[in-house]
Amino acid sequence: NAGVTQTPKFRILKIGQSMTLQCTQDMNHNYMYWYRQDPGMGLKLIYYSVGAGITDKGEVPNGYNVSRSTTEDFPLRLELAAPSQTSVYFCASSYRRSEKLFFGSGTQLSVL
Amino acid sequence: AQKITQTQPGMFVQEKEAVTLDCTYDTSDPSYGLFWYKQPSSGEMIFLIYQGSYDQQNATEGRYSLNFQKARKSANLVISASQLGDSAMYFCAMREGGGSQGNLIFGKGTKLSVKP
Repeated sequence: NAGVTQTPKFRILKIGQSMTLQCTQDMNHNYMYWYRQDPGMGLKLIYYSVGAGITDKGEVPNGYNVSRSTTEDFPLRLELAAPSQTSVYFCASSYRRSEKLFFGSGTQLSVL
Repeated sequence: AQKITQTQPGMFVQEKEAVTLDCTYDTSDPSYGLFWYKQPSSGEMIFLIYQGSYDQQNATEGRYSLNFQKARKSANLVISASQLGDSAMYFCAMREGGGSQGNLIFGKGTKLSVKP
């Protein structure tokens, strides 16, 4: 019953560093998403994917990149980290786009 | 303009009482879906309930029900018989478009505190 697994749970980056947030799901879902949640705010969509090899931008894609080489994995890459990217990041998946999302447990990222 | 508005940043409710969390939405699409998620202090997002725009009846899931008023564009979450474990952030979300269209748009959330 793994569902959606995100790693790491916590990370501190220095300005200008890069890192990859990992996300994998074992439910054979076609759709995968990356959201960020800033303090006191709702979730905002960064990128999403409708299947292996297909990704698209969400509401706040700047400063991020994604890839989807397999159905299971959807990593999020931060290049040249900035303090504005301090946030909690959630990966999610769904079988169909219109259905409920299954979320990972989140990654708390601080850029100092 | 915000697509999803949750006007109550925080609410208190006495244990065992019912509570209503407000959500209004803005869309011109006749086909849409409304979701409620719970986020406890541990941080995970937990799906609670879903209402489709063409659903004739209000959705219910155990102690959760959705008071869907289409003409008012409101989709309030009602929690009956509140429990201490209901203390959490609650997010309303909307998906516009039918079928495979549309991603979820979230409101800013309401923090619910249940008092013993």
